[in-house]
This record gives sequence, structure tokens and C-alpha cells, in this order.
Amino acid sequence: DIQMTQSPSSVSASVGDRVTITCRASQGISSWVAWYQQKPGKAPKLLIFAASNLQSGVPPRFSGSGSGTDFTLTISSLQPEDFATYYCQQANSFPFTFGGGTKVEIK
Amino acid sequence: QVQLVESGGGLVKPGGSLRLSCAASGFTFSDYYMTWIRQAPGMGLESVSYISSSGSTIYYADSVKGRFTISRDNAKNSLFLQMNSLRAEDTAVYYCARDGRGSYDFDYWGQGTPVTVSS
Repeated sequence: DIQMTQSPSSVSASVGDRVTITCRASQGISSWVAWYQQKPGKAPKLLIFAASNLQSGVPPRFSGSGSGTDFTLTISSLQPEDFATYYCQQANSFPFTFGGGTKVEIK
Repeated sequence: QVQLVESGGGLVKPGGSLRLSCAASGFTFSDYYMTWIRQAPGMGLESVSYISSSGSTIYYADSVKGRFTISRDNAKNSLFLQMNSLRAEDTAVYYCARDGRGSYDFDYWGQGTPVTVSS
């Protein structure tokens, strides 16, 4: 199975801050990475697919980059509604493994 | 609008069985691959099973292989997960989700149904 190592596990930030979350795959997966946002008690929401493509309806302050083994999710200017847990997911092969999550908390 | 609604979760004893259902609406169900993903309490996300639009291609996580069976009824716009020989470690919220592009990422999710395996 492909392992996805996500960091940091948590980050404290203020509204307006730039936040960067990284994910490293245990083997090369081209651009087959998705990013999700999850709020407590809710299902995950797709933000980014194929490493850098913004899902319809997602604000442009979210962006993704990377290829091969190293990937990044960036929130350019953190908004109050962005405090949540974020997960990367490799979309290269089943099982579609997820990173351990990054909790974005209010500073 | 696209909706996925899971049902069938609950409390079951170890060794017992449950059948989860996912009712789909707002899109042509038979055109899309579907998946079950679970989340244990306070934990991350785990891919459980995946099924092609016709049901001809199916994948299972090693942790559930031989115990769980995924299926779909395209005429009834429904996805199922038959779970047998349940273990405490199967305790989780189970989500069904749609693969919107056939590219193994999931654009719509249900609200989840909780499964608790405990004596």
C-alpha cells in the first residue's frame, strides 16, 4: 500500500495567515492526490483533485501543488470558516490511502 | 442536487452482521463508480471498498477482505455494504462517496452511518 505522510499534525494560525500543509507519498504517484476538508461531525469535502485542480465551488484561496512524492495544500489567507481538519489522499491505486490529517486551529 | 444518504448502521455484537445502504439521488447513479470509506472514532479516514459503475470491478481493503461485500442496484440507485464477522476494530462511521471523474477522488459524500461493534 502507498503510505501518505502528512505534516504538521496540527497548526495554530490567525485569520489572514497563510497556511501550508504537506503530504509525502511513499512512492511516486504522479499528480494523483486529492485534498479534503472535514469539520467536526461532518463528512469530508473535496477541495483539490489531481494535485492542483480546484473543485467547483471551492474558494480560490485554496491551492494545491506537487507531483511525484511531495504535495502541498496552501490556504493563502485563512478565513474563520477554514478552521477544520485537512486530509490528503492518494488517488493512484486502491487502497486509496489518506494522510493522518492536519488540524488547523485558531491561534 | 446530488444526495447520498446512508442507513443501516447500529450496535452489533462481535461476530454479528450488518447491511449498510446508500441511497443516491440527483445524478445518474449507473454512470458513477462508488466507494465506502470509514472513520474510526477520533481517527483518520480508511478506504474500505470500491465498485465500478457496472459492478464488474470491485476492490476491498485487506482488513475487510472475505468479511465485507460491496454491491449496487443501479435500477434502485442504491449502494450496499454487507458486513459479516464484525470485529471491534470495525467500529467507525461509514461513508458512501461518489467518484465524480473515475479518477479515484470523491466529490460527494453521504452524512455517514455509525457502526459500533461491542458486546
